[in-house]
Amino acid sequence: GNSVTQMEGPVTLSEEAFLTINCTYTATGYPSLFWYVQYPGEGLQLLLKATKADDKGSNKGFEATYRKETTSFHLEKGSVQVSDSAVYFCALRTLNAGNMLTFGGGTRLMVKP
Amino acid sequence: GAGVSQSPSNKVTEKGKDVELRCDPISGHTALYWYRQSLGQGLEFLIYFQGNSAPDKSGLPSDRFSAERTGGSVSTLTIQRTQQEDSAVYLCASSLEGTISYNEQFFGPGTRLTVL
Repeated sequence: GNSVTQMEGPVTLSEEAFLTINCTYTATGYPSLFWYVQYPGEGLQLLLKATKADDKGSNKGFEATYRKETTSFHLEKGSVQVSDSAVYFCALRTLNAGNMLTFGGGTRLMVKP
Repeated sequence: GAGVSQSPSNKVTEKGKDVELRCDPISGHTALYWYRQSLGQGLEFLIYFQGNSAPDKSGLPSDRFSAERTGGSVSTLTIQRTQQEDSAVYLCASSLEGTISYNEQFFGPGTRLTVL
């Protein structure tokens, strides 16, 4: 079956620090990969996605590269801001596993000024 | 345009009561999903509707849970004889054609269910 493993939080960083949130996956079939973000008091929203190997998804200064050889999709940002404080979820989807998203456990990021 | 809406936003109920949660997907989206988010289980899939096809119910945790989608639009998730372990945030999402894996799923704000 499909599964996603991401680093446990919370991750606490100072403003302008470099961020990495690790995500690895197992999948039956060829997955599309996603990062979702949940800001305090808000709903889940798509941050970025990648649909094939070596694709790089990017948005709002965040990036993640689809690495098939290491089954990873690590999220990075060069300089975090206080406004990036949120919970980040790595997820995948394969058509042969019912079309639903399979999520990792989420990583809470706290950025201090 | 309008996003996915859910009602109620909060629901407090007593153990053993039935509850209904409603989801209005984005107009034109043929795929609709229910997930729940709880402290112990994270985000987990419940059920998926695609057009007029039979729903994928593989994520429903017990036969107390059911869902329907009327007219290919609004969906209702029903939990019968609620238990305390049903307390969670229930999320609805919709997307264009669900059989395309990279189509974005748009999430609603969720319904927070508390079973006393």
